[in-house]
Amino acid sequence: GAVVSQHPSRVICKSGTSVKIECRSLDFQATTMFWYRQFPKKSLMLMATSNEGSKATYEQGVEKDKFLINHASLTLSTLTVTSAHPEDSSFYICSALWGALVEAFFGQGTRLTVV
Amino acid sequence: AQSVTQLDSHVSVSEGTPVLLRCNYSSSYSPSLFWYVQHPNKGLQLLLKYTSAATLVKGINGFEAEFKKSETSFHLTKPSAHMSDAAEYFCVVSISGGYNKLIFGAGTRLAVHP
Repeated sequence: GAVVSQHPSRVICKSGTSVKIECRSLDFQATTMFWYRQFPKKSLMLMATSNEGSKATYEQGVEKDKFLINHASLTLSTLTVTSAHPEDSSFYICSALWGALVEAFFGQGTRLTVV
Repeated sequence: AQSVTQLDSHVSVSEGTPVLLRCNYSSSYSPSLFWYVQHPNKGLQLLLKYTSAATLVKGINGFEAEFKKSETSFHLTKPSAHMSDAAEYFCVVSISGGYNKLIFGAGTRLAVHP
């Protein structure tokens, strides 16, 4: 199957700093990528839908100024957590849509810890 | 509104015995349903999907699921568990019928004992 690479897999940052997470589709072009957040012992919650060359669509309750999403190319979307706080600590996972709704492939996730 | 309920947060089986992971859904439309597996520190992998074709869906690694509209269920089964099946399993419903709006269940952690 297609490969989606997410980097870094783990990151620890200080409160108030920003951290960028990358999501790359390695062997296919993805016009649409999705960003999810997974709380401990909880399920994945869709944060935003990222479309190449246009602004991301955020789900209700997700602060777009805090979670900046950039989808500048067909193989790369980035999520930047700005002015991070401990409550932003979570597991963030991306997926990239392959083909016309054929299948979505997931990255391995990023464990963010804000101290 | 669409929603997914995974009835068991943890399931423990012995190697070689059957696996049953239960999932009920709620959907205003004819849903598309998926099962994903997540191994530790790995991304989610699609096991199988139902998209209004055959109600019994066969997936990878010997898993299958049956769509039962009357029971609004989409339970995942496997005849014989393997140690490598130990992982987190997510039942997922799609709002749009594709992959654009996926609603995830809370997950079921499957443990397989020797």
